[in-house]
Amino acid sequence: DIQMTQSPSSLSASVGDRVTITCQASQGISSFLNWYQQKPGKAPNLLIYDASNLETGVPSRFSGSGYGTVFTFTISSLQPEDFATYYCQQYDDIPITFGQGTRLEIK
Amino acid sequence: QVHLVQSGGEVKKPGASVKVSCKASGYTFSSYGISWVRQAPGQGLEWMAWISVYNGNTKSAQNVQGRVTMTTDTSTTTAYLELRSLTSDDTAVYYCARAGIASAGTGLRYWGQGTLVTVSP
Repeated sequence: DIQMTQSPSSLSASVGDRVTITCQASQGISSFLNWYQQKPGKAPNLLIYDASNLETGVPSRFSGSGYGTVFTFTISSLQPEDFATYYCQQYDDIPITFGQGTRLEIK
Repeated sequence: QVHLVQSGGEVKKPGASVKVSCKASGYTFSSYGISWVRQAPGQGLEWMAWISVYNGNTKSAQNVQGRVTMTTDTSTTTAYLELRSLTSDDTAVYYCARAGIASAGTGLRYWGQGTLVTVSP
């Protein structure tokens, strides 16, 4: 199985901050990497697909980059509604695997 | 617009089976697949299985292989997940998500609201 190691596991930040989350795959996955946001009690919401493509309707403060084994997800200026948990997900191989999540909290 | 509506919560005893439904609307059902993802209380996301509605191909995670059956009904545009021999480790919220026709994880853009399955003696 491809292991997805996400860091940090939690993060405290303030409104307006720039935050970056990293996801490392245990083997190369090309660009087969998605990023999701999940709020308590809700289904995940796709933000970035294929490593760097912004999903329709998602604000441009969200971005993603990377290829192969190392990927980053950035929020350029945190807004109050961005405090949530974020997951990376690879789909290069079965089983599909998610990172363990990054909980983004208000400082 | 695309909607996936899941069946209601279930409480089951260890060793029993559960069947969760996922009714799709707003798109051509047979042109996509359905992935099933679960989330144990307070835990992260775990992909379980995928079915191509188009041709019935399936893939599943090793830890549920042999216990999981996925089916689809194109007449009612509904997908089903059946999980057998339940243990307490299967207690989780189960989500369906629209997936690719040939790929289990291609941009899971649309999700059901989740179905809580509780396994308790």
